[in-house]
Amino acid sequence: GAVVSQHPSWVICKSGTSVKIECRSLDFQATTMFWYRQFPKQSLMLMATSNEGSKATYEQGVEKDKFLINHASLTLSTLTVTSAHPEDSSFYICSARNVRTVYEQYFGPGTRLTVT
Amino acid sequence: DAKTTQPPSMDCAEGRAANLPCNHSTISGNEYVYWYRQIHSQGPQYIIHGLKNNETNEMASLIITEDRKSSTLILPHATLRDTAVYYCIVRPGSNDYKLSFGAGTTVTVRA
Repeated sequence: GAVVSQHPSWVICKSGTSVKIECRSLDFQATTMFWYRQFPKQSLMLMATSNEGSKATYEQGVEKDKFLINHASLTLSTLTVTSAHPEDSSFYICSARNVRTVYEQYFGPGTRLTVT
Repeated sequence: DAKTTQPPSMDCAEGRAANLPCNHSTISGNEYVYWYRQIHSQGPQYIIHGLKNNETNEMASLIITEDRKSSTLILPHATLRDTAVYYCIVRPGSNDYKLSFGAGTTVTVRA
């Protein structure tokens, strides 16, 4: 149980295009999902908190108009990187908080984004 | 947020216990200690968490000092698959579920 999936697992896109990454909780409902970014040899950095049915809360320094987050259902959140640039190339990871097991977050396998 | 301090790296022998220390001297009374690990190019994996008492599950044991200023994660019989970056995280508040990841400890299990 407590499986979180991400799609795609990797994507290559051209500079200026937009890319959508999906995060799904497969066997539980998640009212809250989190999006992280991880550059090579660095730790995870929280980008935003996504609550089902409401606007996402972005961490300081994260451009909300560039990283669009939608959490339309209890099992799906999406992150859209708009007008991607090479510096957006990174490992994007989502996590989901199970509404029934308050204390634990479950992470997806991550999405490797490369912008050329 | 309470911050944690972990050694940057450590080696351990396969089959032996691995003891991973973590200092969190500014932890507040209602803050939990969480441990996650991240195997290369994968998402983090939850290991264990605790508040005051020692905890054990199928993966590891968590020993928290009485003053709660430090803790130790114990992997009882390390295997090569336990090679990963281990993160000790103090989670703030009861309604804030954000996790702040530090640099963690890179654990290398050697045969």
